[in-house]
Amino acid sequence: AQSVTQLDSHVSVSEGTPVLLRCNYSSSYSPSLFWYVQHPNKGLQLLLKYTSAATLVKGINGFEAEFKKSETSFHLTKPSAHMSDAAEYFCVVSPNTGGFKTIFGAGTRLFVKA
Amino acid sequence: DAGVTQSPTHLIKTRGQHVTLRCSPISGHKSVSWYQQVLGQGPQFIFQYYEKEERGRGNFPDRFSARQFPNYSSELNVNALLLGDSALYLCASSAQYTGSGLQETQYFGPGTRLLVL
Repeated sequence: AQSVTQLDSHVSVSEGTPVLLRCNYSSSYSPSLFWYVQHPNKGLQLLLKYTSAATLVKGINGFEAEFKKSETSFHLTKPSAHMSDAAEYFCVVSPNTGGFKTIFGAGTRLFVKA
Repeated sequence: DAGVTQSPTHLIKTRGQHVTLRCSPISGHKSVSWYQQVLGQGPQFIFQYYEKEERGRGNFPDRFSARQFPNYSSELNVNALLLGDSALYLCASSAQYTGSGLQETQYFGPGTRLLVL
């Protein structure tokens, strides 16, 4: 069985400070993991994905995430927040096996203060 | 190049009615997936189609159906609408189908916001 838990429903940071959005997953199989961002009234945009290659994954807009199998975590980070980063972020898990099963986390709303 | 497009952008229906939502994938993409996103929650997978065949289905009742056309565009149909069907319906396209969910990068449209009264 698979599941994904985003540990914070809301995160608030000041502009220029680091961002940490936490995601834990559970999967019976070695999964692929993704982070998507959703700005208001816009579609979901892929930030980055992990598919069993390098455990540290770099994405767009300065975001990166580290896959830690021992902790079953895939936290999203960014060294310095920008006002334009304010949005909803989703962690997604998908198995590396046949069949179709993807699960989105409930989302983390990121607020960036000036 | 145009991204994934969806129509209409907004829709209001009453309980018991039927609705059809439309999606045009990115040019060259052969796979289309549909998701339902209820306010305050993450998207939930409804269907995936590839080469006009259903390749995956989520835990949704038979009131939900979809199809894919020869030009790879897709329709999502919902019959006997319930208040709980009010949501943002997202369409995503990908270049290929691997049978393993989102391993292939999916590109999402802006969605159709459905309100059922």
